Amino acid sequence: GAGVSQTPSNKVTEKGKYVELRCDPISGHTALYWYRQSLGQGPEFLIYFQGTGAADDSGLPNDRFFAVRPEGSVSTLKIQRTERGDSAVYLCASGPGEWTEAFFGQGTRLTVV
Amino acid sequence: QKEVEQNSGPLSVPEGAIASLNCTYSDRGSQSFFWYRQYSGKSPELIMSIYSNGDKEDGRFTAQLNKASQYVSLLIRDSQPSDSATYLCASQSLGGSEKLVFGKGMKLTVNP
Repeated sequence: GAGVSQTPSNKVTEKGKYVELRCDPISGHTALYWYRQSLGQGPEFLIYFQGTGAADDSGLPNDRFFAVRPEGSVSTLKIQRTERGDSAVYLCASGPGEWTEAFFGQGTRLTVV
Repeated sequence: QKEVEQNSGPLSVPEGAIASLNCTYSDRGSQSFFWYRQYSGKSPELIMSIYSNGDKEDGRFTAQLNKASQYVSLLIRDSQPSDSATYLCASQSLGGSEKLVFGKGMKLTVNP
C-alpha cells in the first residue's frame, strides 16, 4: 500500500516568508509525528498527534512553528517568518496506534535563503 | 534531558563480517526500542523493533535489549555492501508521550 507522502519534496523560500509542509499518513494510522533532521544528526522531535489532537508539542522550537491535523489524517506544519536556521529536512512519520512503531515519509528539504 | 546515545563511528567492516551497533539510553521508563536504517539522502526506514529483554532475530538482523543496563544493540550478520548506511537507534517511553527519541546515528561502511 501507499506509504507516508510528504509534499513538497523540496522547498526554497526567502527569509521572513511563511511556508506550509504537508504530510499524508498511511491510511488508517492514528499516530502522526513531525521531526526535523539536520546534516549528521538524528531526527529531532517536533510534535506528535494522536487523532486530531496534538498529544505532545514540546519539541516545537518557538511560536513561529505550528502544526494542525484537523480531520485526523493529513497534517500541515506551518512555519512563520522563516529564518536561515530553519533550513533542514522535515520528516513526517505515522503509526498504526498507540505505542507502536513509526514509518517515515521521504521528507521535505526546506532551504531558507 | 532524556537521551539516546550512540557512538558516532564511523564503523567499517569487511563484507561477510558481523557488524555490531550499540546504543544506550538514560530514561529508565523507556519500554520500546527501534532501529532505523538511513541511506544517504533518504529518510529513515524501520528495520527492527524490540520491546522485551533478550534477543530478537529477523533474517540477518538481531536486536538485543538489556533494560537493567539500559543498553540496546543491533547485530548484522554476513554484512553486505548494501548494508552501508547510517543506523539510528530510537526509544519510546511509557512515562511520557509516544514520541520517539533518536540517537545521532552510527555510520556503517561494509567494504567489498
